[in-house]
Amino acid sequence: QVQLVQSGAEVKNPGASVKVSCKTSGYTFTAYFIHWVRQAPGQGLEWMGRINPGNGDTNFAQKFQGSVTMTRDTSINTMYMEHSSLSSDDTALYYCARGNNYAFDSWGQGTLVTVSS
Amino acid sequence: QSALTQPPSASGSPGQSVTISCTGTSSDVGGYNSVSWYQHHPGRAPKLMISEVNKRPSGVPDRFSGSKSGNTASLTVSGLQAEDEADYYCSSYAGSKNWVFGGGTKLTVL
Repeated sequence: QVQLVQSGAEVKNPGASVKVSCKTSGYTFTAYFIHWVRQAPGQGLEWMGRINPGNGDTNFAQKFQGSVTMTRDTSINTMYMEHSSLSSDDTALYYCARGNNYAFDSWGQGTLVTVSS
Repeated sequence: QSALTQPPSASGSPGQSVTISCTGTSSDVGGYNSVSWYQHHPGRAPKLMISEVNKRPSGVPDRFSGSKSGNTASLTVSGLQAEDEADYYCSSYAGSKNWVFGGGTKLTVL
């Protein structure tokens, strides 16, 4: 079955970077985009961007352009999301999600990133 | 890209029906048939409930249905059950390879 398994919780200082991984299995790795979505405490879901595992092409919400990079390692079917210059506003639960052309049909379990001095 | 507009809360008694709205613009909800709905229980991953405005993925009860009129999409939950209590989010393709979510609606089963 389709599975997306994310890396564990992180605590970072303001100004630092964090890299979250998302290991996929159960389907053809290159056939589906992987999107990243976050949820800050008490807030709703926020789309951050997506990566095409086939060629590495990325698209970002304007808010995250320049501060977020998305990469993949095709040898181990794993995606990465790196967020730099973290502030307390970036404290959130970060999800990876598999996207077909119309929706996000499978989700990772979420990775809590806490930014605190 | 602005978030889609959802009511912050909705409620109904067991067995009743409730409808949650999701209002966007002609650049997102009104412009594409890529509206989807997600059920989110705190502490769990969101679950896709409706895709492409009104399509239910395998395993989603037929009590859940979706529709769209103009720039507003709707999720209707019929025959409310206790386990339906959760947060619900809509999402839409917004053009230029971007996606947008709604602010979320907390559904309470009274």
